[in-house]
Amino acid sequence: GAVVSQHPSRVICKSGTSVKIECRSLDFQATTMFWYRQFPKQSLMLMATSNEGSKATYEQGVEKDKFLINHASLTLSTLTVTSAHPEDSSFYICSARGGTGYNSPLHFGNGTRLTVT
Amino acid sequence: GQQVMQIPQYQHVQEGEDFTTYCNSSTTLSNIQWYKQRPGGHPVFLIQLVKSGEVKKQKRLTFQFGEAKKNSSLHITATQTTDVGTYFCAGGSRLSFGAGTTVTVRA
Repeated sequence: GAVVSQHPSRVICKSGTSVKIECRSLDFQATTMFWYRQFPKQSLMLMATSNEGSKATYEQGVEKDKFLINHASLTLSTLTVTSAHPEDSSFYICSARGGTGYNSPLHFGNGTRLTVT
Repeated sequence: GQQVMQIPQYQHVQEGEDFTTYCNSSTTLSNIQWYKQRPGGHPVFLIQLVKSGEVKKQKRLTFQFGEAKKNSSLHITATQTTDVGTYFCAGGSRLSFGAGTTVTVRA
């Protein structure tokens, strides 16, 4: 089945530094990937839609200059949290559609637990 | 924008009992998908419903899509400890996620 790999699984960084999170589709091509943020015991909040070869589409309230998304290939999307602050500490998770239709199920990465000190 | 509401937020179930979680939308959904997220894990796709009134079963799990395609339900019979986790519904072309129902089971 479709596998999405997300790296790193955990990262601790100092306030003011930047962190890059990678999301790879291992056995399929994903023209579209999605980035979410999840707070403890809460739902998945869609941050942005990452489109291969074009600019990401950000949800309302998400700062595109702070959360940089690059989708350079059909199998890799990256999310860079720039100038991280403690309030950016969260669980970030990516997903990709297993097929071409918008009805296709989403396959999620294992998530990245970011802690900003 | 499209919003998907899910109730209850928490469900504490005695092992062996049944329970149902509900998903409601203010607008008609083209499809509804259900995911399960185990504690500490990531969401895993369970099933997709597309047709009005559709019912699908996976062992002890029964998924239903309403006739108006605005609501869905997940019914679990004879709950087991392996059912622990958060169940999310997601609907529409943009797959808006509900808040999830977190299920705990007491033996």
